[in-house]
Amino acid sequence: AQTVTQSQPEMSVQEAETVTLSCTYDTSESNYYLFWYKQPPSRQMILVIRQEAYKQQNATENRFSVNFQKAAKSFSLKISDSQLGDTAMYFCAFMKRGGGAQKLVFGQGTRLTINP
Amino acid sequence: ETGVTQSPTHLIKTRGQQVTLRCSSQSGHNTVSWYQQALGQGPQFIFQYYREEENGRGNFPPRFSGLQFPNYSSELNVNALELDDSALYLCASSPVNNEQFFGPGTRLTVL
Repeated sequence: AQTVTQSQPEMSVQEAETVTLSCTYDTSESNYYLFWYKQPPSRQMILVIRQEAYKQQNATENRFSVNFQKAAKSFSLKISDSQLGDTAMYFCAFMKRGGGAQKLVFGQGTRLTINP
Repeated sequence: ETGVTQSPTHLIKTRGQQVTLRCSSQSGHNTVSWYQQALGQGPQFIFQYYREEENGRGNFPPRFSGLQFPNYSSELNVNALELDDSALYLCASSPVNNEQFFGPGTRLTVL
């Protein structure tokens, strides 16, 4: 079974700063996806960024980038030039590729607060 | 393009009752997954439906059941409600083997 661990329950930074959220996972699978989802107070789970395990290049989406270390099973999210609208719960998630149910396994989340 | 919708937004039930939650998948998506998110926790996978058949199930008892309809919309049914069933229930739709798009969730409170 896969597990995802987020060791930072809460983080707080000033607007415009850079912040890094940590995530580690455990799996015996070789073919999988990793995701970061954002859940603002509105509750809607929004995909921030996706990484395919077979790709060595780290994914980037505008101000969001990841540091994917496959051997270490680490997948951190960096938010540059943080904005007030980035305030939310952030969840790291794993999904096995291939046959069977395509289920997401989530971490416990990190509550990120961006202060003005 | 309409996103994933869920109904109702909130509901309150008492222990022992039954509840049905509904989800309309995004256009073109034939797979629907349901998750339970307890307060302060990450979502937990309940089950997934693909082309009207259950395609996988998490560690939830049989009183959690579901359906998927020919238009790919879905229902989650919970019988004999318990206090611990109080949670946010999230539905997500996806094309096969692709990223999941979430609805806004249904907040269930069991008293």
